[in-house]
Formats: sequence, C-alpha cells, structure tokens
Amino acid sequence: GQSLEQPSEVTAVEGAIVQINCTYQTSGFYGLSWYQQHDGGAPTFLSYNALDGLEETGRFSSFLSRSDSYGYLLLQELQMKDSASYFCAVSSHNTDKLIFGTGTRLQVFP
Amino acid sequence: GAVVSQHPSRVICKSGTSVKIECRSLDFQATTMFWYRQFPKQSLMLMATSNEGSKATYEQGVEKDKFLINHASLTLSTLTVTSAHPEDSSFYICSARGGLSYNEQFFGPGTRLTVL
Repeated sequence: GQSLEQPSEVTAVEGAIVQINCTYQTSGFYGLSWYQQHDGGAPTFLSYNALDGLEETGRFSSFLSRSDSYGYLLLQELQMKDSASYFCAVSSHNTDKLIFGTGTRLQVFP
Repeated sequence: GAVVSQHPSRVICKSGTSVKIECRSLDFQATTMFWYRQFPKQSLMLMATSNEGSKATYEQGVEKDKFLINHASLTLSTLTVTSAHPEDSSFYICSARGGLSYNEQFFGPGTRLTVL
C-alpha cells in the first residue's frame, strides 16, 4: 500500500523559517507534490519534485530524496497568511492519482 | 487559467435524499477528474478517478452504488450521493488534470454537505 507521514502541527513566529517533513512508502514512485489548504478552502498547488534536490519558488522550497523516501517543504520569511494546512502527496507510475499525506497544520504567530 | 468550479458550495439535505455535485473545468479540458472527501481536520481521501467517456475507478472501500460518478464531457464531472445519511456529511472536493501542466491537479472550491 501507500502511506505518507507528516508532523501533525508546527508553530512558528512571523519572519521565521519552518521545515515540514514528509516520509512516504509507495510502489512505483513518480513524484512528490505539496499543497496548501486554508480552513474551508480548496488545496492549492505549491510545488512538485520528481528528481532529487531542491526546487525553489519564491519563499517556498521543496526538497526530495528518492533514496530516502523523504521530502520536505521549506517556508521562509513566514507571514501570518501562511497559517494553513500543508499536505504532501505522491504520484505513482501507471496512475494519474495523488495520494495525500496526513497533513501538517502550521500556525504562525506575530 | 486552470480554474475548476464546483456547484453547489454548500448543501443541506434530509436523510434518504440524493444530492448531485457538479465539477467543471472552466478554461481547459480535463482528461481526468478526481473526487475526494475530507472530514474536519483530516486529510483528503481519494474516492474515485473519473475519465471522460468511461466508467469511474473507485478506491477500495468506496461504494460505487452510493457515490455515482458521471464524466460526460471533458469539462464536467458529477458526483451523486444517493440516499444520503448523516455519516455522509463531509467536504467533497473535485480536482482536474489537463492542459499543459500534467503534474498538477487543480482543485475546485469544495462542497460542504450536511445531511440531517
């Protein structure tokens, strides 16, 4: 089967840096995605990694190590609006679907 | 671009009735659409994968006779919750894949279903 584990909750202050880890177990791994979801809202796409290494998009970066079945999302210069839930999701070969992780609730304090 | 809409955004119904939720890709053709269910403070659970013109593929444990999915065109998929019961109350979210960004799924705003 497939499983993804994330910390349930992370707290930080404005301006800080936060790393949200994701470990996964899946067959036929293809790529790791990250999504942000505010309360009551739809998930929005943040990043995608298919190869090892770091992908940077503005204040957000995402890292993947395929050999370790591990990735993380790095959020820099935190802002209050970054308070949300963050999900990692894996996609596999031969399938279109995404399997979502357990989710990490990030709370940013002033 | 890549906007997905859902209708209705919120629905309250009596136990035993059926509810239809529409998911539309507004500015691209969605070769594949997905339906998820999300309970409060939990993750998104994939219910089914829907390809235009073919039968939906349901995830293990999801009752296909209870959650009817129709994907009649490249821009519209519908989910019908038949004979809804209070335990079906949840946030239902669709997503669509298509266009140039194959690795990304575009999510609709979700439908909050409350069954009394």
